[in-house]
Amino acid sequence: GAVVSQHPSRVICKSGTSVKIECRSLDFQATTMFWYRQFPKQSLMLMATSNEGSKATYEQGVEKDKFLINHASLTLSTLTVTSAHPEDSSFYICSAPFYILTSGGAPDTQYFGPGTRLTVL
Amino acid sequence: SQQGEEDPQALSIQEGENATMNCSYKTSINNLQWYRQNSGRGLVHLILIRSNEREKHSGRLRVTLDTSKKSSSLLITASRAADTASYFCATDALGAGGTSYGKLTFGQGTILTVHP
Repeated sequence: GAVVSQHPSRVICKSGTSVKIECRSLDFQATTMFWYRQFPKQSLMLMATSNEGSKATYEQGVEKDKFLINHASLTLSTLTVTSAHPEDSSFYICSAPFYILTSGGAPDTQYFGPGTRLTVL
Repeated sequence: SQQGEEDPQALSIQEGENATMNCSYKTSINNLQWYRQNSGRGLVHLILIRSNEREKHSGRLRVTLDTSKKSSSLLITASRAADTASYFCATDALGAGGTSYGKLTFGQGTILTVHP
């Protein structure tokens, strides 16, 4: 079945460095992918919508210059946390909507990646 | 902003008992989904119910949707210790023009603990 992968699964970095997280759809193409962030004991918060061939759309309060998103192909979106600081430590999860029918309309389901745990020292 | 609100925030039951979690939301939706998350792990999709559906079953799971009250419930019957996890509802809201793009808004979640 359709699967979404993320790499790396875990990363520890020093404050001030940049970290790139990859999200891949393995069995299907995704013109849109979503990036979420989850702080400990909290729910998932949507950060941005990654669009293949165009700029990402960011949710209110999310700094686009800090969280760079590139949707390089129909199966790959990357999130780069630039100049990471300890407050950026979180669980980052991507998802890709999956369409069974090709006639447009709403996606039939979402596939989530396994997440990337970022710890900034 | 979090559209979905869930209650209870935490639920502790004995194995074999049923667990019911509720979710409320605020806007018109295309569908509502329930997810499970084990501690520190990724999300597992449990069930999706569309706005024109009222009830859906999947194994030991039963989901209801009341669009007039903008609420949904997830019932897990005959619970097992392995059901211990956090459960989230997520809504796929209708945007301008009545379209949906799959952007999900998550509730705060219910932490379910099933004691053996």
